[in-house]
Amino acid sequence: QSALTQPASVSGSPGQSITISCTGTSSDVGGYNYVSWYQQHPGKAPKLMIYDVSNRPSGVSNRFSGSKSGNTASLTISGLQAEDEADYYCSSYTSSSTLEVFGGGTKLTVL
Amino acid sequence: QVQLVESGGGVVQPGGSLRLSCAASGFTFSSYGMHWVRQAPGKGLEWVAFIRYDGSNKYYADSVKGRFTISRDNSKNTLYLQMNSLRAEDTAVYYCAKRDPRPNDYWGQGTLVTVSS
Repeated sequence: QSALTQPASVSGSPGQSITISCTGTSSDVGGYNYVSWYQQHPGKAPKLMIYDVSNRPSGVSNRFSGSKSGNTASLTISGLQAEDEADYYCSSYTSSSTLEVFGGGTKLTVL
Repeated sequence: QVQLVESGGGVVQPGGSLRLSCAASGFTFSSYGMHWVRQAPGKGLEWVAFIRYDGSNKYYADSVKGRFTISRDNSKNTLYLQMNSLRAEDTAVYYCAKRDPRPNDYWGQGTLVTVSS
């Protein structure tokens, strides 16, 4: 099972918006509304930011939003803040013999 | 509050075995499926394995299938990962995680496994 495809890095200035893409196949991202996004700061455990494509857990800023079109999911962060600088990972349920697959991760730099 | 505490990591030679444990508290452990996810040094997250609440079904990443076994002891509120035939590429921080029902998502602090001669 191949990892989902994410850009290695993205960057933006404070206050700007950025979008991170996550491309899979019809067997994972495109076939199910079970895409999640995680934020991970260095040395810390991942934190769930978006689940089921576009739902935000309680306590997560509404500056974070998710969407999906075909086999590609996207995470958008608006009004970038310094504390948003982190690694971001998408994950999806997959119909293969495994259960879940993660993306390779995207390093967000706030300039 | 939900707590997940991994243990059992360490240094092991290639071809060796190791068993990781994850002690759970703060929720009814026997009611929820549990995951293992790993992260090699400087690399991304990799889903490893999942076990249903009662142990009836288990799923594995292709990279560990046939070498790793996930199990649980609901009487001890503990999740396990038995790792055999270890390879250098299995070197990683291993996290146990309770990720259902969404969005109730909890991860342990991780335990480091190093496979090296």
